[in-house]
Amino acid sequence: GAGVSQSPSNKVTEKGKDVELRCDPISGHTALYWYRQSLGQGLEFLIYFQGNSAPDKSGLPSDRFSAERTGGSVSTLTIQRTQQEDSAVYLCASTEPGQGRYGYTFGSGTRLTVV
Amino acid sequence: TQLLEQSPQFLSIQEGENLTVYCNSSSVFSSLQWYRQEPGEGPVLLVTVVTGGEVKKLKRLTFQFGDARKDSSLHITAAQPGDTGLYLCAGGDQAGTALIFGKGTTLSVSS
Repeated sequence: GAGVSQSPSNKVTEKGKDVELRCDPISGHTALYWYRQSLGQGLEFLIYFQGNSAPDKSGLPSDRFSAERTGGSVSTLTIQRTQQEDSAVYLCASTEPGQGRYGYTFGSGTRLTVV
Repeated sequence: TQLLEQSPQFLSIQEGENLTVYCNSSSVFSSLQWYRQEPGEGPVLLVTVVTGGEVKKLKRLTFQFGDARKDSSLHITAAQPGDTGLYLCAGGDQAGTALIFGKGTTLSVSS
């Protein structure tokens, strides 16, 4: 597609429920990143996929968070047993291979609210 | 742990004023990027600098990378209401790991 597409744009869920957030990167972009943006906290790195390599999961805050990338394209971020502190905007970005240091293309994000 | 500190955190100015936003670190980065983010949208890349001492201009915006590649500044000349937004700096590592972002500077320009 022309840009990075994220869905849903907004999600309200009850505490304890599981949620899935989807990211569809730009065609041909083999690198895909997930970040979390909380109020006043900037962008917090979560996970990074590069082609068929094992993902860098070093930013995932707990084992309730997981992500997969199927067929090297679409990625899904799953949060199990959501907590109120999970409320944030979840941003996805993609780049061409090896071009991450030159700039990301971000999606518009998913705003997650846990009530 | 690499960190990027941005200052000021908030800036509210009148149309026509000049301003400078700073991004500082104790770590060396192979590249430094600036993004602008508007409400409800993802960050949009403005510029990438990769060479120590590099200066890039984008219309009324001037970006500079420090000689030691540890800091950067964004200067806006004659700010306009359309410049309003959250400005984020991000540092890149030579190893191709994920970018590290500062917490951002929220700029409000009133007419």
